[in-house]
Amino acid sequence: NAGVTQTPKFRVLKTGQSMTLLCAQDMNHEYMYWYRQDPGMGLRLIHYSVGEGTTAKGEVPDGYNVSRLKKQNFLLGLESAAPSQTSVYFCASSHTGTGGEQYFGPGTRLTVT
Amino acid sequence: QQQVKQSPQSLIVQKGGISIINCAYENTAFDYFPWYQQFPGKGPALLIAIRPDVSEKKEGRFTISFNKSAKQFSLHIMDSQPGDSATYFCAADIRAGSSNTGKLIFGQGTTLQVKP
Repeated sequence: NAGVTQTPKFRVLKTGQSMTLLCAQDMNHEYMYWYRQDPGMGLRLIHYSVGEGTTAKGEVPDGYNVSRLKKQNFLLGLESAAPSQTSVYFCASSHTGTGGEQYFGPGTRLTVT
Repeated sequence: QQQVKQSPQSLIVQKGGISIINCAYENTAFDYFPWYQQFPGKGPALLIAIRPDVSEKKEGRFTISFNKSAKQFSLHIMDSQPGDSATYFCAADIRAGSSNTGKLIFGQGTTLQVKP
């Protein structure tokens, strides 16, 4: 039981390049989330999904897109990376949504130069 | 109104001491308040959580105190140990009408160092 896994662990992009971060969970959770973590700002929700085929915007969605084609996977895309997107990205999943524990992946450290 | 303000930003405590981290919120629609613990290089993990219908919840050395009228809640770590050294985040669950999204608003984080 791997829990929540994220691919890749590290990535360096040049401004304007695109990439996709993959999150996978093996707990059959309905709810999945993408956060970014920046020093002094805590974790901020980018996008989330309440089930397969659904996505919704969080606090800071600009510059990101997501897809949830399969229940176990949640993809975060950056179409044209900017230095402001340099951050550590965490994916999380939850069984019950509101009031439920969120299980976090190990994170992806992204640097945009 | 959607913010959760956390203090202090960093905290140094001697082994055996009490660590106290405070959070304040404005939105009275928040109705679930978890604390997450994060070790360096790892993702956050749920430590303890409380709902506003109780004023205190204790799990081992960790206690949440909740003051609904003041819109404040705090984490107390009794008998702090070096292994407690980590970053702690408070959070609040946004409930939008009847929707069940599980969206969390996190505080800014507190880095705790427990000296041996």
